[in-house]
Amino acid sequence: RKEVEQDPGPFNVPEGATVAFNCTYSNSASQSFFWYRQDCRKEPKLLMSVYSSGNEDGRFTAQLNRASQYISLLIRDSKLSDSATYLCVEKGNYGQNFVFGPGTRLSVLP
Amino acid sequence: DTEVTQTPKHLVMGMTNKKSLKCEQHMGHRAMYWYKQKAKKPPELMFVYSYEKLSINESVPSRFSPECPNSSLLNLHLHALQPEDSALYLCASSQTQGQLFFGEGSRLTVL
Repeated sequence: RKEVEQDPGPFNVPEGATVAFNCTYSNSASQSFFWYRQDCRKEPKLLMSVYSSGNEDGRFTAQLNRASQYISLLIRDSKLSDSATYLCVEKGNYGQNFVFGPGTRLSVLP
Repeated sequence: DTEVTQTPKHLVMGMTNKKSLKCEQHMGHRAMYWYKQKAKKPPELMFVYSYEKLSINESVPSRFSPECPNSSLLNLHLHALQPEDSALYLCASSQTQGQLFFGEGSRLTVL
């Protein structure tokens, strides 16, 4: 079974800190990757798609290393509102199967 | 402001009841999904419909029965559930390429 693994967490960081999450995947044929965030008792929402060249959206930077089968998410200048669970998601090369990692819980503390 | 609408938001049912969860999207997506999520766990895939045909069934017990009446609608029929089936049931849709869009979920409690 193809799997996605993430840092176990939880990560407790002060406001303003920089925090990095890592994710590894086992399916070398995977085509697409995403980071979702999920707030408590809410649905997952897309944070960023992850592109081979790396991509940045404000305080968030995502990177993909296909050779090492590794994805990262960097959050700079953490805000209290960044507190959530971050889910790494891989989409395989067959059907419409999105595989979720177990998630990493982030708490940003005042 | 989600574009995937799920009803009901909350449902309490007994083990002998029959109920249905409903999901609707009008984004023209041709793939629709049911996920089950327990507390502190990631979403777990149950079913995928692609072009209104069931394409993935992750060995889900027959007490869960999916139905896709048309390209915008997805139902999950529930019958003779167990207390351990209590969870958040998430519907999602996607285009052939691209991300998953989730509904807000239906929180199910089985007594």
